[in-house]
Amino acid sequence: QSALTQPASVSGSPGQSITISCTGTSSDVGGYNYVSWYQQHPGKAPKLMIYEVSNRPSGVSNRFSGSKSGNTASLTISGLQAEDEADYYCSSYTSSSHVVFGGGTKLTVL
Amino acid sequence: QVQLVQSGAEVKKPGASVKVSCKVSGYTLTELSMHWVRQAPGKGLEWMGGFDPEDGETIYAQKFQGRVTMTEDTSTDTAYMELSSLRSEDTAVYYCATTTVISTSPRSGFDIWGQGTMVTVSS
Repeated sequence: QSALTQPASVSGSPGQSITISCTGTSSDVGGYNYVSWYQQHPGKAPKLMIYEVSNRPSGVSNRFSGSKSGNTASLTISGLQAEDEADYYCSSYTSSSHVVFGGGTKLTVL
Repeated sequence: QVQLVQSGAEVKKPGASVKVSCKVSGYTLTELSMHWVRQAPGKGLEWMGGFDPEDGETIYAQKFQGRVTMTEDTSTDTAYMELSSLRSEDTAVYYCATTTVISTSPRSGFDIWGQGTMVTVSS
C-alpha cells in the first residue's frame, strides 16, 4: 500500500486561505468517504481536524474544511493564523481494511 | 473524557523485542478499537495496524506482518503493541490511537491519541 501523495510544503500569509491536496487511488481516497486530516505541532501527538472527508470534530475551528473529488481530497484553511503553522497529514481507509497516511505537508505562515 | 496513557521510553538492541502499553481511562477498552501508528524521527505517520470492528479482527500492515502483535488486557483496560526483531529503522515514536466521540468505527479517523512512546534501537 503506497502512501497518499501530499505536497511537501505550502505557505501563506496571515488572513489568507491555503489548500492542501491528498491524492490516492480508487482503492482508498476515491473509494470511501473515510478521509481524515490531522494537524501535528512539533513534539506533539497528531490532532484530528477533519473526519469522513468534511466533518469537523467538536472544538475544531470552522476555518478548517475538507472536500473530495475523485481520488483527491483537500484540506482548506481559511483566515490563516500563526498557530496554524504545523505539519498536516491526510489519511484514508483502504479496500484491504488498512489505513494509509499521506507523506505530510509542512504549512508555513509567513 | 477518554485518555490514553502510554508507557515510557525504551532503548533496545537490534534483534530484541519491545512491548509498548497504552492504558485507557474514561472508557473501557472493550468499547474501543485500538490502533497503533509510528513516526520515525523527522518522518511522517505510518499506520501499523489495529482492530476493525466491522471485520471483527485485528489487521496488521503488510510491512509489519510476522513482527508485530497487538493484544489487549481488558481486566486493566490496557492495550499492548509488541514489535520483534528490532532494527535501527524501527527507531520511532509509537502512538496508540482510537475513535470515540466522532464515530463507532475507526475507519472514520482517530480522535484520541496517546502521548507517544519513544523507542530507540541502537547497539
